[in-house]
Amino acid sequence: ETGVTQTPRHLVMGMTNKKSLKCEQHLGHNAMYWYKQSAKKPLELMFVYSLEERVENNSVPSRFSPECPNSSHLFLHLHTLQPEDSALYLCASSQEKGYGTGGKIMNTEAFFGQGTRLTVV
Amino acid sequence: SQQGEEDPQALSIQEGENATMNCSYKTSINNLQWYRQNSGRGLVHLILIRSNEREKHSGRLRVTLDTSKKSSSLLITASRAADTASYFCATDAGRSGGSYIPTFGRGTSLIVHP
Repeated sequence: ETGVTQTPRHLVMGMTNKKSLKCEQHLGHNAMYWYKQSAKKPLELMFVYSLEERVENNSVPSRFSPECPNSSHLFLHLHTLQPEDSALYLCASSQEKGYGTGGKIMNTEAFFGQGTRLTVV
Repeated sequence: SQQGEEDPQALSIQEGENATMNCSYKTSINNLQWYRQNSGRGLVHLILIRSNEREKHSGRLRVTLDTSKKSSSLLITASRAADTASYFCATDAGRSGGSYIPTFGRGTSLIVHP
């Protein structure tokens, strides 16, 4: 148990469906992330929320819509997905704190949820 | 863009042997982290090494960092079948004044045969 909980663990949806992935962290962290992991590809960063504001949107198609209502919850709303969107979607959180060399934000590790295995049919 | 790149992509060893994985990165860092992922599950943080550190140990894990070569290595000693997993390095690709964004490579898939 990492303190980051993702639901559902598995999801099968049709291309015309609308669904949402949920992530909840119980660690008091102030930053949350969505990653996509496809077979034989690096983890792809999708979105970053810091202090509930979106600070990164990594050229993700608009059929993926994130929502961060508070620092503990993160959603990924899905609609009209394509079969190539089938993947493992991972949520993570971390605590941003302090500044290091060159003004970069120092941080510790990211804590990941177990992921949602999404299959688009 | 992808920051860390692990090498080799796959590694197969016998139980009891040591496993060494390497990571190369492109830009300056404050720290580098290694993570482990069991098949189809989330990533678990293993160890963090800061840019002013050269070596760090945690149990059977040993991590080295060479900032001049922009590379790191993870050594697992006396491997066990339970060490079978994918291993990823991540750097803090956060921008100055920006947010921390852990950036991962493709990972090394380690198989330890009993």
